[in-house]
Amino acid sequence: GAVVSQHPSRVICKSGTSVKIECRSLDFQATTMFWYRQFPKQSLMLMATSNEGSKATYEQGVEKDKFLINHASLTLSTLTVTSAHPEDSSFYICSANGLAGGPNEQFFGPGTRLTVL
Amino acid sequence: AQSVTQLDSHVSVSEGTPVLLRCNYSSSYSPSLFWYVQHPNKGLQLLLKYTSAATLVKGINGFEAEFKKSETSFHLTKPSAHMSDAAEYFCVVSDTNTGFQKLVFGTGTRLLVSP
Repeated sequence: GAVVSQHPSRVICKSGTSVKIECRSLDFQATTMFWYRQFPKQSLMLMATSNEGSKATYEQGVEKDKFLINHASLTLSTLTVTSAHPEDSSFYICSANGLAGGPNEQFFGPGTRLTVL
Repeated sequence: AQSVTQLDSHVSVSEGTPVLLRCNYSSSYSPSLFWYVQHPNKGLQLLLKYTSAATLVKGINGFEAEFKKSETSFHLTKPSAHMSDAAEYFCVVSDTNTGFQKLVFGTGTRLLVSP
């Protein structure tokens, strides 16, 4: 149980285009979802926290107009990278928190590797 | 603010020897602490967690960690390394005082296991 999926697993796009990444909780309702980015050989940095039906809360330094987050249902959150640039190339990971596990437990997706040319 | 420090960026062991990955935490409140493992091109997997119950926490794949408040440490150990243990390990702290907390990740320790 408590499986989180991400789609796509890998995406390559041209500079200036937008890319959407989906995060789904497959077997539980995720009241809160989190988006992280991880640069090569570095740790995970939280980008934003989203609760179903409300606006996401962004961490300091994360541009909310560039990284659009939508949490439209209890099983789906999307991250859209708008007008992507090569410096946005990174590994994006989502996690979900809900009734599965305890209140402090997050279940992580496998990640999406974004490469912007 | 909560934080964790992983003291070693790389740890190399031989197969069959003990593993010790070190982690120190800083927290204003009673912390929840986790160890996650990340294999190449795979998602993070929870190894174990401490949430103010027993100070010695047993996890999956033979790993365990001991919460030592006096030393503000939460080191991860395993008696005998296996080749499949080679991966990146993250020590993580969460603040139980804020409900859904943010998880704050350490910088990671890469475990290398040689035959």
